[in-house]
Order: sequence, then C-alpha cells, then structure tokens
Amino acid sequence: SQTIHQWPATLVQPVGSPLSLECTVEGTSNPNLYWYRQAAGRGLQLLFYSIGIDQISSEVPQNLSASRPQDRQFILSSKKLLLSDSGFYLCAWSATGTSEAFFGQGTRLTVV
Amino acid sequence: KNQVEQSPQSLIILEGKNCTLQCNYTVSPFSNLRWYKQDTGRGPVSLTIMTFSENTKSNGRYTATLDADTKQSSLHITASQLSDSASYICVVSRYGNKLVFGAGTILRVKS
Repeated sequence: SQTIHQWPATLVQPVGSPLSLECTVEGTSNPNLYWYRQAAGRGLQLLFYSIGIDQISSEVPQNLSASRPQDRQFILSSKKLLLSDSGFYLCAWSATGTSEAFFGQGTRLTVV
Repeated sequence: KNQVEQSPQSLIILEGKNCTLQCNYTVSPFSNLRWYKQDTGRGPVSLTIMTFSENTKSNGRYTATLDADTKQSSLHITASQLSDSASYICVVSRYGNKLVFGAGTILRVKS
C-alpha cells in the first residue's frame, strides 16, 4: 500500500535561519507531489506542484523553494525564514490519472 | 482562471443541527470534485467524489450535490456531532490531473 511520510511534525526556527522539510512517498511511482501551507484559521494555499523529477511549478511568489531530487522525494526549503513563514505545511501526492490527493500529517512551523 | 471558492469561510452550529457548505468553481476542463475533511493538525481525508454525471452522493450523515451546469457543489451535514468540527475542503480535478483546492470552510459544532 502507498504511504506518505512528512517530517518533522513540529519545528521552531529563528528568523533568518534556513529551512528544510522533507516528504517521501512509498508504494507508488511517478506521483504528482504538492506542498501546501495553511495559516492559522485559514484555508490551504498551494505552494508547489510537481509532475516529475526536477519538474516543479510555483503557484505563488514567496520566500520558499522546492526540489524533487528523486521520484518520490519532495523537499521544501528556505534560505532565510521570515516570521510570515509560520504555518502548517502539508505535503500531498496523487497518482497520475487519478484525482484523489493523499496528505501527510503536516509540519507545524513556528518562526520566532 | 481556474479557481475554487468556498463559503462560508467559517461556521458555528449547535450539536444536532444541520448545515450546508458551498463550493463554486471555474475549473475547466472539469474531471471531478471531491470534498475533504481536515481535523485540526492533521492532513485532509477524502469524504466523497462527484463526477460530471452525478448529482447527489451520500456518505453517512454527509450528502454532496453537484450541479455541473452552474458549477456549484454543496456538502450537507445532517444531525451534526461534535466530531464534525473540522475544516471542509472542496477540491476540483482538471483533466490532466491537476488539483485545484478551495480555501475551506471551518466548521465548529458546539454542545
């Protein structure tokens, strides 16, 4: 069966520090991968979308970047965190040709 | 532009009452529409899927409707329970498999 792993679950980082959140999918190949952010009390905001290795679309301009070095690995990064980067980050995958997205458990990021 | 808009943004109801959440979309070409439930601090989980030819689909106390002509969907929750408190997200799939997410409706059920 397919599983998605996202870590860490919680993270507290100082302003100006770098960020690296990792997401891996098991049990499937060539998944579509997504990074979302959810600010407190707000809805999901799509950050990045990837249909394959090194094929990444950015949905909104921001202080973040994404990479997909392997088929089932998706990494969200920042060189210098801002206070406004605080939020709940979700990784998700969907199989090519299907429409259901499966989400990781999320990372609660607090920038202080 | 491909968009999904949900209303209301948030909703508070008493336990046992019914409620209806709305989703309007401009996504094209349309493949299907899903409603997700997201408990606080967790990832969303799919509740129902609606294809172009389906008008109504039920999953327990949840009933989803779809009007493909007006590009509107609703999620009706009957006899609400405290455990229904969550964020409900409407997601529309385009052919080519890109998903377009609504911002969600935050539902709080009070006793």
